[in-house]
Amino acid sequence: EIVLTQSPGTLSLSPGESATLSCRASESVSRSHLAWYQQRPGLAPRLLIYGASSRATGIPDRFSGSGSGTDFTLTISRLEPEDFAVYYCQQNGFSPETFGQGTKVEI
Amino acid sequence: QVQLIQSRAEVKKPGASVRVSCKASGDTFADYSFTWVRQAPGQGLEWMGRISPYNGNTHYAPKLQDRVTMTTDTSSSTVYMDLRSLRSDDTAMYYCARDLGFAELSLGFWGQGTLVTVS
Repeated sequence: EIVLTQSPGTLSLSPGESATLSCRASESVSRSHLAWYQQRPGLAPRLLIYGASSRATGIPDRFSGSGSGTDFTLTISRLEPEDFAVYYCQQNGFSPETFGQGTKVEI
Repeated sequence: QVQLIQSRAEVKKPGASVRVSCKASGDTFADYSFTWVRQAPGQGLEWMGRISPYNGNTHYAPKLQDRVTMTTDTSSSTVYMDLRSLRSDDTAMYYCARDLGFAELSLGFWGQGTLVTVS
């Protein structure tokens, strides 16, 4: 199975700063099959980015995704208080589909 | 809009089975695949498997293959996840999720989660 490794495990930042989250795959993943999710405490995950760089409906443009092959990045510019959460990458191109272990963005 | 409503929390003894349901509304049920994801307390997301209501095709995570069954009932737009031979490490929040769109496999819609406690 494809292993997704996210880094860093925790990112400590202040509101207004930018965050750069990394997702590295053990094998090449098609851009069309790489997604990012946000999970706030006590809530279900929410789709942020699909196809590596397309924002889901209602997602603000301070969230952006990039990358290809084995290296993908989620960038959050100008962190808002509601952005402090855990972020997961996921590949859905190969079965079993897999998630990264998550990156926590904390204040 | 698309809504996924899951069944209530369950408490089960080790060795028992559990069925979690997920009722979909707001779109054509058979057009999209459904995925089950679980999350143990304080842990990350674990993909359990996917099912297509259109043809019943399933894909399961290898570690759960022998204990999990996913089914659908198109008459009630409901997806089911059965997990057998429960162990304490099956204690988790179980989520159903639906594909974002046709041929777009990202999980665009999520249920509220069902807590399964094995004790």
